[in-house]
Formats: sequence, structure tokens, C-alpha cells
Amino acid sequence: GNSVTQMEGPVTLSEEAFLTINCTYTATGYPSLFWYVQYPGEGLQLLLKATKADDKGSNKGFEATYRKETTSFHLEKGSVQVSDSAVYFCALRGAVMDSSYKLIFGSGTRLLVRP
Amino acid sequence: DTGVSQNPRHKITKRGQNVTFRCDPISEHNRLYWYRQTLGQGPEFLTYFQNEAQLEKSRLLSDRFSAERPKGSFSTLEIQRTEQGDSAMYLCASSLIGQGDTGELFFGEGSRLTVL
Repeated sequence: GNSVTQMEGPVTLSEEAFLTINCTYTATGYPSLFWYVQYPGEGLQLLLKATKADDKGSNKGFEATYRKETTSFHLEKGSVQVSDSAVYFCALRGAVMDSSYKLIFGSGTRLLVRP
Repeated sequence: DTGVSQNPRHKITKRGQNVTFRCDPISEHNRLYWYRQTLGQGPEFLTYFQNEAQLEKSRLLSDRFSAERPKGSFSTLEIQRTEQGDSAMYLCASSLIGQGDTGELFFGEGSRLTVL
């Protein structure tokens, strides 16, 4: 079945450092890929998405590129801020033939950015 | 605010008691999902509805769990005879399938269950 694997945390960085959080997936067909973020005390929010191979999703300085050949969707940011401290979840939605459109999530990666 | 609303936000109960959670989705959304999230893990899919029809249930959803969505609006998730292993955050999400579908699920803030 479909699954998502992401790097374990916590990831601790200094402000303005470069961030990479790895995410790989297993799925049949061409799933859609998402990054969600969960700030302390808040619900999950969509950060960015990509719906087909080679698409790049971007938002708030974060980027991720849908790589079909490596089944990856790594999250990157060039310069993190303290306010980026949160838990980041990689997720996939199955291909069109999977009519439920449910999201399958990775286990999450906690990011802590120090001033 | 017209986001997804969940109640109660936190429920503490004794083992063996029944609990019920309510979710009010974004009003025009036709899909409603329930997930469970335990500490340090990602959300795990439990079940979903399209309008009032429950179309899929995960194997995680034991016979003690039941979900409804009467009239295709709000939904309830009931857990009977709670066990300590049921302690988790229960998340509700909604989405729009069809015209206007962006693929995004919109999540509520969750209902945290603690079973003593």
C-alpha cells in the first residue's frame, strides 16, 4: 500500500541556517504530495503541495520538488527563522483511481530553530 | 472563523466509559475525515464520509468505534468502553471533492482524549 517515510527529528538549527527534511514515498501511479506544518498548540496546516512529477511547490520560503525517479519530496528552506519551529509532516494522496482521496502521513519531523 | 471546529478540545475519562467527539466541517465541504494522532507520530486515517455516506473505514477502527454524519453536515465519533490505548488526539478534516478540489484537507485543532 501507499506509505511515506520521513527523516526522524528533532532537527535543531541556528537561525538563518539551511534546512532540508527528507521525505520518500511508496505509491502506485502518480500520487499528489504535500507538506503540512503543525505549530505548537495549532492544527495541521497545508504548507505546500505538488500534483505531478517535476512540479515544485513553494510557500513562505519553503520549497519541495516532486521527484518521480527517486520517489522523493524533500522540504528545503534557505534561511530558517525561529518562527519556523514546528512539526513538519510529509503526506501523499493516492492517484486518481484511489477514490477516497485520503492523505497518508509520515511520522513527522520536529524542527527547532535557535536564535 | 469558518474553519473546521472540533469539540470538546480535551476529554479526560476513566477506562470503560463512552466518549463522543463532534466535528463541524467547513460548510460547503462534502468530504469529512477522521484521523488519530499519537505522540510523536503522524495522523493515521480512521474513516471518511462523502456527504452522509461512510465510504471507508480503516482496520484501526475497532468495533468500539462508530462514526456518523447525519444529514451530511457535522459528524460524531463515539468510542465505547474506552481503553488506555485509545488515548490520542482525534483529528477531523474536511475537503471539497469535485469542482474546486485543490487536494487539500483542512484540519481542525483536534480533540485530545486521555483515558485514565
